[in-house]
Amino acid sequence: EDQVTQSPEALRLQEGESSSLNCSYTVSGLRGLFWYRQDPGKGPEFLFTLYSAGEEKEKERLKATLTKKESFLHITAPKPEDSATYLCAVQAAYSGGGADGLTFGKGTHLIIQP
Amino acid sequence: EPEVTQTPSHQVTQMGQEVILRCVPISNHLYFYWYRQILGQKVEFLVSFYNNEISEKSEIFDDQFSVERPDGSNFTLKIRSTKLEDSAMYFCAGRISTNEKLFFGSGTQLSVL
Repeated sequence: EDQVTQSPEALRLQEGESSSLNCSYTVSGLRGLFWYRQDPGKGPEFLFTLYSAGEEKEKERLKATLTKKESFLHITAPKPEDSATYLCAVQAAYSGGGADGLTFGKGTHLIIQP
Repeated sequence: EPEVTQTPSHQVTQMGQEVILRCVPISNHLYFYWYRQILGQKVEFLVSFYNNEISEKSEIFDDQFSVERPDGSNFTLKIRSTKLEDSAMYFCAGRISTNEKLFFGSGTQLSVL
């Protein structure tokens, strides 16, 4: 069974204080790892897709990296508007285990204080 | 930027009643999905739909659930006889191919009383 574990569950940072969020995964062949941002009462908003170990992607203050067992979302000099829940999800390469659908973690609730 | 549109945003129903949740996907998307999120829990996959048929479904998607895309535009999720435990936020999602990013709607908050 595919599993995604995110840590920490919650993180409170001061504005400008950089940090990293972790996503550990177990999947029967990784087809893709996805990072989403979710604001309260809203649907997940796509951030990044990573396909293979060693891959990195950046967008503004966010940078996502991938190894064979985990992914990190690095947040550099965050601002209050970066406050949200960050979700990690995996897509398996093989059918019968959610090959079409994504398996999500519970997310990291990030609060950036001014 | 194109959006996935879901209606209604909130739905309150009595246990045992039928509900239909509606979604208008982005026009060039070919793969469609329903996910749900119980308050404080993970986003969970329910069903995927391609070429007018279900391609995959989770254990949650039992005989009480059905999906259809009757007119090539709207994509609906029907719950035949709602239970208290069906209370959740239901998200519609779509994408161009199974290797592309998934676009989510803003969700329908379903409350079963």
